[in-house]
Formats: sequence, structure tokens, C-alpha cells
Amino acid sequence: KQEVTQIPAALSVPEGENLVLNCSFTDSAIYNLQWFRQDPGKGLTSLLLIQSSQREQTSGRLNASLDKSSGRSTLYIAASQPGDSATYLCASWWAAGNKLTFGGGTRVLVKP
Amino acid sequence: SQTIHQWPATLVQPVGSPLSLECTVEGTSNPNLYWYRQAAGRGLQLLFYSVGIGQISSEVPQNLSASRPQDRQFILSSKKLLLSDSGFYLCAWMVQGGTEAFFGQGTRLTVV
Repeated sequence: KQEVTQIPAALSVPEGENLVLNCSFTDSAIYNLQWFRQDPGKGLTSLLLIQSSQREQTSGRLNASLDKSSGRSTLYIAASQPGDSATYLCASWWAAGNKLTFGGGTRVLVKP
Repeated sequence: SQTIHQWPATLVQPVGSPLSLECTVEGTSNPNLYWYRQAAGRGLQLLFYSVGIGQISSEVPQNLSASRPQDRQFILSSKKLLLSDSGFYLCAWMVQGGTEAFFGQGTRLTVV
């Protein structure tokens, strides 16, 4: 069964500290992996998309890595700010399927 | 550019009443369309997806149904709502054969 897991479910850090968010998946034959941000009561905003042939993607302070052999992806947010407080979700797309499978998310609080 | 619209943003409905949530996509043709539900404190669960007009795939047995009457319109319905139908409903689209998903702003449904 293809599953995606995010641990921890919640994380609190002081402003300025780097954030490291983990995502693991059970089947290494993923097609891509996508990271999203969700603010309370809002929809999902796509942050980064990593194709299966890529090792990482970067956008501003965000960097996402992908290690298919270990079944892991990591989202790094440098120099966190209170505005980074949100829930971060990762989702995997497997070639044999036709859908994104989501992890449970990590709720992040950046304290001023 | 492509945009996705979902409405209404919030809805409070009594048990046993019907439901109709609408999602439309602009700026693309023949997208894959998806309905997800996010229950309180839980991850996103795929409910339905569609690869074309009139083509609906259901992921889980439930009290809901979906229809795609037009290429860029996806409707989620119920004839009689249950309390357990409460949740946050998200519509998403993806280019056919594409690799990145885009989400609407969601509908908060409370069944009372």
C-alpha cells in the first residue's frame, strides 16, 4: 500500500531558526513529490514540486530534497519567520495511480 | 493563467438536506479534476477524481456523489447529508499527464 507519513505532527521554533520538515513514503517508485502550505481555514498553496529524476528543488528560503532509495523527502525553510506559521503537507504521485496521496501534515508555529 | 474557483466558501446545512458544491477551472482544457475532504484533525482523503466529462472514479464508499457535466466543472453532491459529512472540501486540478496539482480555497461544510 502506498502511504505518506509526516512526523512530527506539530513543531514550534523561535524566529530565525531553520525549519526541517520530514516526509516519508512507502513505495520508492514515485512519479513526483509535492510540498504544500495550508493556512487555517484555507486551501493548499503549492510550494515545491520534485520530479522523480530530481534530487532537490529550491525557491527562495525553501529547499526540498528527495531520496527515493530511503523513501524520504525533507523541506528546509531557512531563517524562519512568524509568517511561516502554517501546516505543511507533502503528497506523492505514483505512476501506477491517478491521484496524490497526502501525509497528515506538520503544523508549524514560529514564535517571535 | 489558470485559476480554480470553489463555492460556497462556507455552508451550514441540516442533517438530511441536499448538498451541491461546485468547482470550476479556467485557463486550461481537459484537466484531471479531484475532490478531497479534510476532516478535523485528519489528513486529506481523496473522494472522487475525473479524467474527462462524465468520467468519475470513486475512491471510498460514502454518502456523496460527483459529476462532471462540462470539461472544467466538477460538482460534489449529496441527496441527504449526514453529520459525518462535515469537513473541509477541496477541489483540485492537474494537467492531464502533468505532475503538479493546484487547489481551490475550499468549502467548510458543517452539518447540524
